[in-house]
Amino acid sequence: DVKVTQSSRYLVKRTGEKVFLECVQDMDHENMFWYRQDPGLGLRLIYFSYDVKMKEKGDIPEGYSVSREKKERFSLILESASTNQTSMYLCASSSTPYEQYFGPGTRLTVT
Amino acid sequence: AQSVTQLDSQVPVFEEAPVELRCNYSSSVSVYLFWYVQYPNQGLQLLLKYLSGSTLVKGINGFEAEFNKSQTSFHLRKPSVHISDTAEYFCAVTRQRSGGYNKLIFGAGTRLAVHP
Repeated sequence: DVKVTQSSRYLVKRTGEKVFLECVQDMDHENMFWYRQDPGLGLRLIYFSYDVKMKEKGDIPEGYSVSREKKERFSLILESASTNQTSMYLCASSSTPYEQYFGPGTRLTVT
Repeated sequence: AQSVTQLDSQVPVFEEAPVELRCNYSSSVSVYLFWYVQYPNQGLQLLLKYLSGSTLVKGINGFEAEFNKSQTSFHLRKPSVHISDTAEYFCAVTRQRSGGYNKLIFGAGTRLAVHP
């Protein structure tokens, strides 16, 4: 069965902290994605990666960076967390252009 | 570039009634279309997808959607809803391509609330 896991379901951090969100997939997929979900805005793409050590900016990359050192793992980094980064973060992976598999999400609160 | 508009942010409905969740898209190229469902406190799960062929697509949990190219719509329907269908539903689009990676463009979501 397809599996995408995220390191935390809920996270509370303080303004200015460096935050790491981890995502692991067990399907040997080439492509991995980080989305941010906010009410009324749907899902917006932050970054994606189509191969190890490769990354591309999505629609809202400001304030974020990513790392993909191994095929199965894709990390989202908030260099200096701010309150406007309080949100639900969803990771996804795919091997085809027409289906993505999502993790359960991490609800991040920055105080 | 592609975009997606979900015409209703919330849809209340009584149990066993039919429901339609509306989705319109815009694109200058051929696209694949999707509906995802998100149950409370969970990630997104694929309900159904249109890639090619028949314009009526059947998905899981009794849902179906119809692709209408002339109206650029992909509305989701279910003839009789259950309490367990209460969730948020997202329409999404990506451009057709033969390989490589895909960027999904999502609508803002429609919250379906099924009442007893």
